Amino acid sequence: DAKTTQPPSMDCAEGRAANLPCNHSTISGNEYVYWYRQIHSQGPQYIIHGLKNNETNEMASLIITEDRKSSTLILPHATLRDTAVYYCIVRVARGNKLVFGAGTILRVKS
Amino acid sequence: DSGVTQTPKHLITATGQRVTLRCSPRSGDLSVYWYQQSLDQGLQFLIQYYNGEERAKGNILERFSAQQFPDLHSELNLSSLELGDSALYFCASSDTSGGRTDTQYFGPGTRLTVL
Repeated sequence: DAKTTQPPSMDCAEGRAANLPCNHSTISGNEYVYWYRQIHSQGPQYIIHGLKNNETNEMASLIITEDRKSSTLILPHATLRDTAVYYCIVRVARGNKLVFGAGTILRVKS
Repeated sequence: DSGVTQTPKHLITATGQRVTLRCSPRSGDLSVYWYQQSLDQGLQFLIQYYNGEERAKGNILERFSAQQFPDLHSELNLSSLELGDSALYFCASSDTSGGRTDTQYFGPGTRLTVL
């Protein structure tokens, strides 16, 4: 399984963009990058996923570097409700499970 | 709201007991996944069912078992409970059997406390 590395915590001012980095240097060419978040002890919430092109949806944008060894999740206008643990996951080529690491604790402050 | 429901929300029981956790997937989803989240282990995959059949197995203890019924709801049975089984148990569902682009949607979880 391709491993991911994320900073343990980050702070962001309310209303500013939150940029959450993720390193996945051993990713295979056909593996997707997924982002989930978990607010307090709620169920993980799907945010976005991508393969090689940048992706955007109503929640966030995902920027994947050309060599695919890293990616950045962007929350364009962070609010207090975006405070959560954010997980970057590389989807394994075989099998169906999601492998969660420790994630990044994002604290949005007013 | 992901559309995945789990009952009960909270469960408190004693060591040695047996409990059943229930999950109803999103409408139309055929796959159900179970995950355990404990303080020291983080979120870990337990097992997946697809259309009634076991599809993938993770770090699931022999004391734990699961099944998926014809109406696609799933139950996770935990027996001979130990203190260390105290955790959040999440169910997720997806519309396919799995794979790199299969998006899983999680329920709100069941908090199990073993005393």
